[in-house]
Amino acid sequence: EPEVTQTPSHQVTQMGQEVILRCVPISNHLYFYWYRQILGQKVEFLVSFYNNEISEKSEIFDDQFSVERPDGSNFTLKIRSTKLEDSAMYFCASSEAPWGTGNQPQHFGDGTRLSIL
Amino acid sequence: RKEVEQDPGPFNVPEGATVAFNCTYSNSASQSFFWYRQDCRKEPKLLMSVYSSGNEDGRFTAQLNRASQYISLLIRDSKLSDSATYLCVVIRTGNQFYFGTGTSLTVIP
Repeated sequence: EPEVTQTPSHQVTQMGQEVILRCVPISNHLYFYWYRQILGQKVEFLVSFYNNEISEKSEIFDDQFSVERPDGSNFTLKIRSTKLEDSAMYFCASSEAPWGTGNQPQHFGDGTRLSIL
Repeated sequence: RKEVEQDPGPFNVPEGATVAFNCTYSNSASQSFFWYRQDCRKEPKLLMSVYSSGNEDGRFTAQLNRASQYISLLIRDSKLSDSATYLCVVIRTGNQFYFGTGTSLTVIP
């Protein structure tokens, strides 16, 4: 079964440093997403991306965050100047079509654990 | 009011038991509904979509009540492998998923 893959599995970074989290969505999927989950809390939406542009973003996704699809396969999340509170599990997801087309679910990667020191 | 609310549990049930989880959502414009399961420190995995007429997948049954704005998940004949956190997911508009905080289930031998 095709899957979403994320690298690295664990990233440790000093506060104030930039970090890039990488994702390879399922190959025929067109919609891409980033979520985060702070330890012990719920999964929170960050951003959705389609046709090389952001389609929606949450309040969490401020100017410190950016997303990019640099080539035909990777989808990246960049945090420019990390803060302690950015420590969380970051999940990438992809879907074949938007929700309005036959209840298409999102498939999640197994996450990158980001630890800010 | 939160977009999606779930009873966090924990639910501790013996093997073979039937257990039900409920989830309420606040926005009547919500369009699509899913149940995901999440094992400890793992990614959410799709369990099943929830359709207006209700749907069943093996031991799992999902129901949607639009009038009361809740969805439910029923697990029959619980197995040890069902132990996980069950996440209620609602899509209102666009592609933004709203997750509930999850309901923790432990199936005891």
